[in-house]
Amino acid sequence: DAGVIQSPRHEVTEMGQEVTLRCKPISGHDYLFWYRQTMMRGLELLIYFNNNVPIDDSGMPEDRFSAKMPNASFSTLKIQPSEPRDSAVYFCASSPQRYNEQFFGPGTRLTVL
Amino acid sequence: DAKTTQPPSMDCAEGRAANLPCNHSTISGNEYVYWYRQIHSQGPQYIIHGLKNNETNEMASLIITEDRKSSTLILPHATLRDTAVYYCIVRVGTASKLTFGTGTRLQVTL
Repeated sequence: DAGVIQSPRHEVTEMGQEVTLRCKPISGHDYLFWYRQTMMRGLELLIYFNNNVPIDDSGMPEDRFSAKMPNASFSTLKIQPSEPRDSAVYFCASSPQRYNEQFFGPGTRLTVL
Repeated sequence: DAKTTQPPSMDCAEGRAANLPCNHSTISGNEYVYWYRQIHSQGPQYIIHGLKNNETNEMASLIITEDRKSSTLILPHATLRDTAVYYCIVRVGTASKLTFGTGTRLQVTL
């Protein structure tokens, strides 16, 4: 298995632009998680899905952030409009069951100028 | 989830055992202890978890005290590739969420 796949690996954009991050979980995993990591706040859970349904989005910072999972093999995290404070590494992770270990992707490093 | 306390950094000589402590004095009976690590510029990686018994796998051993208020992750023969930030996480057994703290930065040296 290729593991969790994220794209792009690096994204540089200007303030105000829309940014879309993509994630392909490991096949057969029912849970998908989006995390954000910054020096100031560490690793934070933004949202997670179970069987393509959002379960907990309490970590989503504000309405500019949205996440979707249209099918079991694809999820997106969108920021519109982007701001410099959104600069961070965004990780996607998947898990076969609710309380199993989570497998993390390589992350997307986002820089908003 | 119970709060965990870890030293911010530790050093270990290559080939020696690395013992990483974690305090979780408010842990509940249904909470597990998980360990993840994050090598620079990579996503976190699961290492091991346990409830109350000591656990061992190909990567590490987990020793949990009898009162479950603290635990130690042991890397038996540390290598340079074990240099990473190690996170101790306490999670309810049926929960999905992982809450990461600041972890311990382990530096393995020659």
